[in-house]
This record gives sequence, C-alpha cells and structure tokens, in this order.
Amino acid sequence: DGGITQSPKYLFRKEGQNVTLSCEQNLNHDAMYWYRQDPGQGLRLIYYSQIVNDFQKGDIAEGYSVSREKKESFPLTVTSAQKNPTAFYLCASSMTRGPAYEQYFGPGTRLTVT
Amino acid sequence: AQTVTQSQPEMSVQEAETVTLSCTYDTSESDYYLFWYKQPPSRQMILVIRQEAYKQQNATENRFSVNFQKAAKSFSLKISDSQLGDAAMYFCAYAGTASKLTFGTGTRLQVTL
Repeated sequence: DGGITQSPKYLFRKEGQNVTLSCEQNLNHDAMYWYRQDPGQGLRLIYYSQIVNDFQKGDIAEGYSVSREKKESFPLTVTSAQKNPTAFYLCASSMTRGPAYEQYFGPGTRLTVT
Repeated sequence: AQTVTQSQPEMSVQEAETVTLSCTYDTSESDYYLFWYKQPPSRQMILVIRQEAYKQQNATENRFSVNFQKAAKSFSLKISDSQLGDAAMYFCAYAGTASKLTFGTGTRLQVTL
C-alpha cells in the first residue's frame, strides 16, 4: 500500500546527542514536510522540501537539519542545539508544493530527550 | 503573517446530534485554501474537508460540512449525526501563497452516548 512511514514510533535520547528521525514515502510525491506538535500548540512547520536536493526553513528551523537526497526520503536531524527537543514529530508529503494539494501525514515519532 | 484561531479547546456532543467547531483566521491574501484535519487518539492526521477561498459554495463531505464566511474570515466545521468515531482533536489549517500549512491550536471533541 502507498503511504508515509516514520520510524521509530517512540525514540529516547540523552541530552546532548543528535538524533535522526526517518520519513519515507512511496506516493511519488514531490514535496515533503516536517512538523512539530506540542500540547496546546497545534502543528508547527520545521522544514519543507519541494524537490530533491532542495529544502527551505519553516517557522521553527533552529536546532534542526534535513536532507533530501532521494525523492522518497526526507530525514530530520534533531541536533543538540535544539533547546526543547521533546515533542511529537510528524512528516507529510504532497503531490507538489502548493496550497491546493492535500498533505498526507505519517504516523509520527514521539521523541523524548532526558 | 497568517494566523488561525480556534477558540474552543474542548467540545462535547451526544451521539447522533450535531456540533459546530469554530475557526477564524487572519490574512491579507485573497487566494488561499482552508482545511479541517482530524487527529484521533492514534495521532494520525486525517484530512476531513477542504475549502477553496475563491469558491462561494460551502464544501461538504458526507456528514461534514463547513460554513465559510470569507468577509468575516470564519471557517466553521459542522458534524451531523455525530458518531463515537468522530471523537478526536480537530485542527483548522490555512494555506496561502507560501504553500505551507498554518494550524490552529485544535479543538478536542468528545462524543457521548
């Protein structure tokens, strides 16, 4: 079945360590997105990518990095510079970058940093 | 910058009844899209309904419909014949020329017997 996979579902890390969250899609979508969800704050955009080898910062990019070497994959690295990394992270994709196109979401990764 | 406001943190509805969730937004753009997403306890985000700003007709999807008031910048979601499976967080979202989604803070809907 086509869809978006995120792994793992739960991730635990020690403070000061970088951690990479996986996002893979087999929908042949051009655009991919990373969101962070905190209680009471909805979803906030971290990074997005329209095409391979190109990406743009979203509203809260500080402390995060991404790469887009393949169309199907858009991994997110949470660096030690991110002051409050504990959150629920959602990856999404759409046919192309544009407001008319529905974004499909993955199941999310819950990251806990202690 | 665009903002999306959901003023109802929690709502409750009895099974088979109708409930309306409110959403207001602020923008200076004339062409944009509005969405309602559902997030059940599984936390999977699911698109419920979409409205194009240039369309005057309100969108409907089975039991879900919207009341889009462009001048008032209001975009409410009506759920008819509520079912237990409708219990979830509902997020209103805006997408304009920047093509990124801006979300409200969500409304938690409880459905009671």
